[in-house]
Amino acid sequence: EAGVTQFPSHSVIEKGQTVTLRCDPISGHDNLYWYRRVMGKEIKFLLHFVKESKQDESGMPNNRFLAERTGGTYSTLKVQPAELEDSGVYFCASSQDANGGTRGDNEQFFGPGTRLTVL
Amino acid sequence: GDSVTQMEGPVTLSEEAFLTINCTYTATGYPSLFWYVQYPGEGLQLLLKATKADDKGSNKGFEATYRKETTSFHLEKGSVQVSDSAVYFCALSKLYNFNKFYFGSGTKLNVKP
Repeated sequence: EAGVTQFPSHSVIEKGQTVTLRCDPISGHDNLYWYRRVMGKEIKFLLHFVKESKQDESGMPNNRFLAERTGGTYSTLKVQPAELEDSGVYFCASSQDANGGTRGDNEQFFGPGTRLTVL
Repeated sequence: GDSVTQMEGPVTLSEEAFLTINCTYTATGYPSLFWYVQYPGEGLQLLLKATKADDKGSNKGFEATYRKETTSFHLEKGSVQVSDSAVYFCALSKLYNFNKFYFGSGTKLNVKP
């Protein structure tokens, strides 16, 4: 079974440009998450989709970030316009349980990440 | 708010040495605790987990015990191998709020032959 995939693996853009990151979750996983690790610091939650709906977007840093999940399958995260502080590694994860969770240990499966560099 | 603090890296050890990576947490309620590992060029993989106090998670020779009294979840391995070189992340999530993880900053482990 294929794992979570992310595209591209690396992206280098200039300040002010637009970048779109893509995540393909494991087939059948209703939950999709975006996280970001900046400058070797902790990995921070950005947002969570349940199917096509945004369940929690409390971690989105500002309105330059726009996430979508078309038809409840793959997701995109667009940064427009990109700023220097947006540089980091963007991780996507997916998990199976769509019921809001009755267990605290629902495993999230992570993709390899997209390394974004804004110059 | 909820948070995880883990020891700064990098940690450099010789093969067969004993490993400890400290992790402490701050959380209300009853979090579940996790260790994830990221090998070079790969995504994060779940290494082990514990869902309640005094539980011990174990996998691939690694162990961690959920200590509520000290709010800790230290990762240990008795004898590390070169193949254990990776970045290790401690994380928590909470029952009925497992939709997001709180991660520590990661600890890079280098094991030399």
